[in-house]
Amino acid sequence: AQSVTQLDSHVSVSEGTPVLLRCNYSSSYSPSLFWYVQHPNKGLQLLLKYTSAATLVKGINGFEAEFKKSETSFHLTKPSAHMSDAAEYFCVVSESGVNRDDKIIFGKGTRLHILP
Amino acid sequence: GAVVSQHPSRVICKSGTSVKIECRSLDFQATTMFWYRQFPKQSLMLMATSNEGSKATYEQGVEKDKFLINHASLTLSTLTVTSAHPEDSSFYICSALSYNEQFFGPGTRLTVL
Repeated sequence: AQSVTQLDSHVSVSEGTPVLLRCNYSSSYSPSLFWYVQHPNKGLQLLLKYTSAATLVKGINGFEAEFKKSETSFHLTKPSAHMSDAAEYFCVVSESGVNRDDKIIFGKGTRLHILP
Repeated sequence: GAVVSQHPSRVICKSGTSVKIECRSLDFQATTMFWYRQFPKQSLMLMATSNEGSKATYEQGVEKDKFLINHASLTLSTLTVTSAHPEDSSFYICSALSYNEQFFGPGTRLTVL
């Protein structure tokens, strides 16, 4: 069965230090993987996506993620945190195909806190 | 935990007809709901923000006359695709906001013939 696990519900880092938000997934097929950010009372905004091309994906605002099939991971990183990065982050797995139902699985989210 | 349902899960319709998709928060009230669409292997695209008792806020490029959103109660938002065409075929997902947490529905697959 498909699943997405965000290993940390909350992460706190100091401004200017690296960010690591962890995501592990399981999927029966070749999935597409996404990271989204949600700022308070706003809809999701796409940070980056992996769709079976390069395993290291660069996104907006300095974020990147590496798809590691052997570890079934898709962790999100940023070299230097900024105060504006404080938000909720969702890891999402999506599968679609002609002969099977679409599935989209959301992680439970990780709230990122940035300390001054 | 909070549960959001969508109905129907799949719908097939003829070109030119209208289709209504319901999004319900089953065990909580949500003053704000969001509607997204997703094409295969693409990201979710926010279509609109639905606020209970007021008009929805549409994202740039989304036709508000084509995608009618009604948020008549604290537990129900509806998306009506009017005069649907094959290019409207997509996966539509709603989410509901509760205490700044977002809970997602299972999605509705719309196919327009």
